[in-house]
Amino acid sequence: SAVISQKPSRDICQRGTSLTIQCQVDSQVTMMFWYRQQPGQSLTLIATANQGSEATYESGFVIDKFPISRPNLTFSTLTVSNMSPEDSSIYLCSAREGTGYPGELFFGEGSRLTVL
Amino acid sequence: QQQVKQSPQSLIVQKGGISIINCAYENTAFDYFPWYQQFPGKGPALLIAIRPDVSEKKEGRFTISFNKSAKQFSLHIMDSQPGDSATYFCAASKSYSGSARQLTFGSGTQLTVLP
Repeated sequence: SAVISQKPSRDICQRGTSLTIQCQVDSQVTMMFWYRQQPGQSLTLIATANQGSEATYESGFVIDKFPISRPNLTFSTLTVSNMSPEDSSIYLCSAREGTGYPGELFFGEGSRLTVL
Repeated sequence: QQQVKQSPQSLIVQKGGISIINCAYENTAFDYFPWYQQFPGKGPALLIAIRPDVSEKKEGRFTISFNKSAKQFSLHIMDSQPGDSATYFCAASKSYSGSARQLTFGSGTQLTVLP
């Protein structure tokens, strides 16, 4: 099974700044995703990180606010731009191995952001 | 609307008891129903999953019961242990051709098993 590492694990940020979260998978994976989990809440898909092309964003999420990169099959970054207190949340990187359906979805431990 | 409704929001069970968490879905195109377990400070991890061609799947103390006509599925934890205390999420997805096949998650159930 894939092991996913995220950095930073937590951070406290000032309003108006941006923060980039890194996600490293220990094996090549076909698909990578970014989720947001607000405290005590469910997981909401932000976007699918596509290798070598623009990410596919879900309704309510835009590239200018959450730019995503995926330069290869094992690494992705999510930037939270121009942060406000409403962006305080846990951001989770996930990945799926193989191309078969459904395929298990693996998660990192998350990056807990607090915006002051 | 691709929604998965989960209940209860929280559950307290005595050690050795049975924990039951329920989920209902709307989209009949869903064809994969996993349950994820999340401990504090950790990411969710797949616990057990079912496809709609079977009505029940059991793995150790964990069982999924699936009712296709009612569009409901549930997780049963037999002989619940304090180590089972975690947040449980049901989820659902539908197959696409060459697409994300992303999961739609329920709202989560915080399970506490008392010693």
